[in-house]
Amino acid sequence: KNEVEQSPQNLTAQEGEFITINCSYSVGISALHWLQQHPGGGIVSLFMLSSGKKKHGRLIATINIQEKHSSLHITASHPRDSAVYICAAQGAQKLVFGQGTRLTINP
Amino acid sequence: DGGITQSPKYLFRKEGQNVTLSCEQNLNHDAMYWYRQDPGQGLRLIYYSQIVNDFQKGDIAEGYSVSREKKESFPLTVTSAQKNPTAFYLCASVPSGTPYNEQFFGPGTRLTVL
Repeated sequence: KNEVEQSPQNLTAQEGEFITINCSYSVGISALHWLQQHPGGGIVSLFMLSSGKKKHGRLIATINIQEKHSSLHITASHPRDSAVYICAAQGAQKLVFGQGTRLTINP
Repeated sequence: DGGITQSPKYLFRKEGQNVTLSCEQNLNHDAMYWYRQDPGQGLRLIYYSQIVNDFQKGDIAEGYSVSREKKESFPLTVTSAQKNPTAFYLCASVPSGTPYNEQFFGPGTRLTVL
C-alpha cells in the first residue's frame, strides 16, 4: 500500500461542475502539498497546508490531521483546469507523492 | 526573472552512454532535489542536497550521481548502470528559512534511451 493514496485516478467532468480530489496518507507529516502538473510536464505548487483550509481563487484545499485526509476542491471548473493534480506529504526531509489524479474538464 | 531551469527539455541517448541533466536556480535556495516520474506513478526522489558540497541519496539513487559545487547548480548524471533510465526528470528547490518546505519545480527533462 502506498503511503499517499489519491482518488480518483482519473476524473472527467463538464465545465462548471464542482470537483473534489481526495488524498489519504499513512505517514506522519508536517505539511501536505497540492501540486498541479500541466501536459508539458511542468509542476506548480498550489497549496501547502498543515491544518484547516486554504482558498485561492476557485481552488480550495482542506486537511483533517486526525483522519489523515486532505481534499482539493475546484469550484466552477473550466477546461483550463485540465491537468494532473498531485498531493504530497511533507516528511522530515522529503516529500512522499501520490500517483496523481488526471482531471479533464470538457467544454 | 527568478526560477529554475532545466536543459534540455528532451534528450535522447544510446544505451550504455552516461548523460548529464542540468538544473540551475537563481532563487538563492539552499536545498535542491532530483525526482524521477514514470507513467502512472508518483514522483520518486533520486538525490537531494541541502547545502553546497553535500548531498544525500533518495529512494532510487542507484545508477545516478550528482554534484553540488555551486549553490545555483545541481546536475544529475544518469550512468550506464541505471537499468531503466527512460523517464521524466524533475528538479526542485526549496527556499531557506521557511517553516514549511514549499518546493519550486523546474520544467523537467524527458530522457529517452534508445
